[in-house]
Amino acid sequence: EAGVTQFPSHSVIEKGQTVTLRCDPISGHDNLYWYRRVMGKEIKFLLHFVKESKQDESGMPNNRFLAERTGGTYSTLKVQPAELEDSGVYFCASSHKGDRGGSPLHFGNGTRLTVT
Amino acid sequence: AQSVAQPEDQVNVAEGNPLTVKCTYSVSGNPYLFWYVQYPNRGLQFLLKYITGDNLVKGSYGFEAEFNKSQTSFHLKKPSALVSDSALYFCAVRDFMDTGRRALTFGSGTRLQVQP
Repeated sequence: EAGVTQFPSHSVIEKGQTVTLRCDPISGHDNLYWYRRVMGKEIKFLLHFVKESKQDESGMPNNRFLAERTGGTYSTLKVQPAELEDSGVYFCASSHKGDRGGSPLHFGNGTRLTVT
Repeated sequence: AQSVAQPEDQVNVAEGNPLTVKCTYSVSGNPYLFWYVQYPNRGLQFLLKYITGDNLVKGSYGFEAEFNKSQTSFHLKKPSALVSDSALYFCAVRDFMDTGRRALTFGSGTRLQVQP
């Protein structure tokens, strides 16, 4: 099966610009998660989709971040306007339906975002 | 609230020697515990998990981890390290009782360096 794919792999933008990250989960996985790792620190949770619905968005840092999951398939994470502290690696992960929390997550390779 | 601590930023070990990467956690209820590994420019890969049952769990690539409830620890171990084990290792936890939060909480990661 194809794994979780993320696009782009790298993005360099200026402060104030907009960037959209995309994640294609493993086909059939209802659960989709976004995480972020900033400057070598812990990997922090951003939000969780179940199909197209936001199950938990408690980790979203502020309203400059907007996540969508069209039709319960791929997901986008938009940062508008970007700030310097948004730099980091953004990971997407998915898991199958019926995940009671014990199923492993399948991660994409991440998008490295640099805001200058 | 749930949290994970990985007290060592880096662990150095000689090839052929046993290795241990430490992890302690904090949850309100019973934990689901995971170890993931990240190789350069790749996403996180699942190594092993503890849900219930035997305290010693075995995973991929010869790794194992021991769940210790009294010490709230879940240390990753391998009897004989390989140079190819050099990577970044993340411990993660989810509180089984927190039905509203499916997402994992990760530690800050430990870089394992195995010298030939």
